[in-house]
Amino acid sequence: TQLLEQSPQFLSIQEGENLTVYCNSSSVFSSLQWYRQEPGEGPVLLVTVVTGGEVKKLKRLTFQFGDARKDSSLHITAAQPGDTGLYLCAGGDNAGNNRKLIWGLGTSLAVNP
Amino acid sequence: NAGVTQTPKFQVLKTGQSMTLQCAQDMNHNSMYWYRQDPGMGLRLIYYSASEGTTDKGEVPNGYNVSRLNKREFSLRLESAAPSQTSVYFCASRTSGRNEQFFGPGTRLTVL
Repeated sequence: TQLLEQSPQFLSIQEGENLTVYCNSSSVFSSLQWYRQEPGEGPVLLVTVVTGGEVKKLKRLTFQFGDARKDSSLHITAAQPGDTGLYLCAGGDNAGNNRKLIWGLGTSLAVNP
Repeated sequence: NAGVTQTPKFQVLKTGQSMTLQCAQDMNHNSMYWYRQDPGMGLRLIYYSASEGTTDKGEVPNGYNVSRLNKREFSLRLESAAPSQTSVYFCASRTSGRNEQFFGPGTRLTVL
């Protein structure tokens, strides 16, 4: 059974601080995605990484896919209150036509003004 | 484009009542999904439809049925609601190729 473990589970920081959240597995994924979910809304896709070692940047957010495609990290520079939310990672398994995602439980981030 | 829409947004049921959650997408996606999200349990797949006319069970299908009415619409039915089905339900559709999912705003269901 493929599992994705996210850490930390909860994070509360002050505006302006940097942070990193992690998504780890013992399984290899064909792709890995990060989503952000705000209270009362559905998850929204932030990024997809598909190549081992790939780094993508989205403004103050930097995403990295591990060389072996088993893990990923999300680094936020100078966090802002608008970054508050639940960050979910999801691994893609392209076996067959199912195309289901394996989901982590998420990191709940609170950025205090 | 509205993306993925879900109705209703909130619902309260009594144990044993039935209801259907509606989902529609206007992105011409082939695959659609129903998830439930519970504290500490994350997103769990209930049912999915890889294409129009096909449906398959996910991790937690018991107590639910689905219908892929056409390419746009995928409904989830609770035949006899139980308190354990109190949850937030999300519908999603998927792009072909990159396995990226787009979610609706969710239905918050309480079963008393």
